[in-house]
Amino acid sequence: AQSVTQLDSQVPVFEEAPVELRCNYSSSVSVYLFWYVQYPNQGLQLLLKYLSGSTLVKGINGFEAEFNKSQTSFHLRKPSVHISDTAEYFCAVILTGTASKLTFGTGTRLQVTL
Amino acid sequence: DAGVIQSPRHEVTEMGQEVTLRCKPISGHNSLFWYRQTMMRGLELLIYFNNNVPIDDSGMPEDRFSAKMPNASFSTLKIQPSEPRDSAVYFCASSLRTVNTEAFFGQGTRLTVV
Repeated sequence: AQSVTQLDSQVPVFEEAPVELRCNYSSSVSVYLFWYVQYPNQGLQLLLKYLSGSTLVKGINGFEAEFNKSQTSFHLRKPSVHISDTAEYFCAVILTGTASKLTFGTGTRLQVTL
Repeated sequence: DAGVIQSPRHEVTEMGQEVTLRCKPISGHNSLFWYRQTMMRGLELLIYFNNNVPIDDSGMPEDRFSAKMPNASFSTLKIQPSEPRDSAVYFCASSLRTVNTEAFFGQGTRLTVV
């Protein structure tokens, strides 16, 4: 079985400060990892994904994430956030070799203030 | 491409009524997913299809829920009879299954059962 844990339900941060949103997964097989963002009253939009290769993945809007197999983590980072980054962020996983069944974490609400 | 299209965007119905949610996936995608999002339970995968065939419906909450995909460009999620606890945002997503790629989400249908 696979599961995804997002340790923080809410992360408040000031504008221009760095941020890290944590994600850990559990799986007995290899996985593909994703971060999605959801703005209010919108669907989910892909930020970035890790399928293979370099463990540091760069995505849209200046976000990046690092796959750490030994720690089974895929934390999302941004060096300087903007007010417009205020949204819900979801980490998700797919087991390799299976149909594309995304399992989501519970989400982290990023609240950026002045 | 216009992306994944869901209709209606909002639905308010009375308890006991039948509700049908509709989804048009991205052209050429061969996997389709229905998710439900609530504050209490987060994002839950209800059912997914590959090449119009239901693969896993273990997330469907009970027999009141049913989903169909009569062709590659259309899917429905039906609730009959509806109950207040079915109130949620329902998302449809599609992906290309040749590689385990990301799912693209529609804008969602906000269902309110009164």
